[in-house]
Parts: sequence; structure tokens; C-alpha cells
Amino acid sequence: SQQGEEDPQALSIQEGENATMNCSYKTSINNLQWYRQNSGRGLVHLILIRSNEREKHSGRLRVTLDTSKKSSSLLITASRAADTASYFCATPEGNTPLVFGKGTRLSVIA
Amino acid sequence: DTEVTQTPKHLVMGMTNKKSLKCEQHMGHRAMYWYKQKAKKPPELMFVYSYEKLSINESVPSRFSPECPNSSLLNLHLHALQPEDSALYLCASSQAPYTGELFFGEGSRLTVL
Repeated sequence: SQQGEEDPQALSIQEGENATMNCSYKTSINNLQWYRQNSGRGLVHLILIRSNEREKHSGRLRVTLDTSKKSSSLLITASRAADTASYFCATPEGNTPLVFGKGTRLSVIA
Repeated sequence: DTEVTQTPKHLVMGMTNKKSLKCEQHMGHRAMYWYKQKAKKPPELMFVYSYEKLSINESVPSRFSPECPNSSLLNLHLHALQPEDSALYLCASSQAPYTGELFFGEGSRLTVL
């Protein structure tokens, strides 16, 4: 089953612009995580936000969590060509490991 | 050492072959995972080993056989695969089962002819 659903499915921006990706989920969570995947490579953990947190920052990344709306957003500021990748939100589903959303494919054009 | 190492990076096999994918981590993590990922799709969970015991099998066909020889190693034995099994197979580990951050390997790209 799929828990997270990212929006948009694909996003193309110019270098230097901000990129915002959204994730909606269905059931109660204790944390939500964001991962990045460069084409054909493994996934890299970006940030984990717990259900009692509303916002978290890591470098150029800002993640928000709204448990009342069952949604999260990932903001990448001042994007770079190297940020081109797929971004997935993921949540533990019940007592099972992470279930990944469909992902957002981000293209940053130099 | 924060790496998960997967070998081989690429594997091409016929439908009658037997091959294995290997995964290794030396972070002392007690949970290890196999995910399967098709092109432009999210990773899908296949198996979870928790404290070296198989704890989750997501209804994976028996032509995929996982093995956890010790806390650092995870294998995926492949036999009589179908062309639709061609995918990127990702290994991951976490400090404790089902919680916190997953550390992924770079994956093994499998092509079944």
C-alpha cells in the first residue's frame, strides 16, 4: 500500500529559484522523512520530521509538517543544477517500515 | 563508516540462471531491508530482517530468496527469474527495526533476459 503522495510529479525550474514539493499521507504518523535519489542511484536521507514538530531546517532545505492536514512540504532554496533528482517522502505505516510516495522529479536548469 | 555496499552493481542473467545479490554494512545496524524499484516508480519493500531474523516478507515470489548470514550481511538469491523482474534492487539498513533513517546502498541493476 502507498502512504505518501507527492505533488507535483515533475517540476522544472531555473537555477537559483526555489523548489517546493508537497506530500500528503493517509494515516497517523510518528515521523515523516524525505529522501533524494539521483538517477539510477541509491536513496539518500535528507531530513526526518517528527509528528510533534512543525518545521525543520537543514542547510537549504526546509520541511514543514501539518498533521491536521496530513501533509508535508519540502522547500529547496536557491536551487542548483546538482539538486536535479527525484525526491520522495516516506512514512512508517503502522508497525511496518517506510513506505515511499511516488516521488517528485525535479529538474534544475542551469 | 556510514556506507551500505551492494555487489554487483550490474547483473545480467537468463531465466534459468541462479545468481545472488550481496549487501554489507558495518554500522552495527540491526535491521536490513531489500527494496525493488522499477523505472520512474518508488522503491517497494520486499523483505526485512530484524536482528538477523526475517520479519517481513511482502508476498514476494519464491524465486527471490533472502538470507542474512550475520548482522552485517544480507543476500538475495535469485533463481528462475522472469524478464519483468528486471529492476534496481536496493539494500538498506537502519539502526533499529522500522524506525529512523534508512541508509541505502547504490543498488544492483538487474536485467533478466
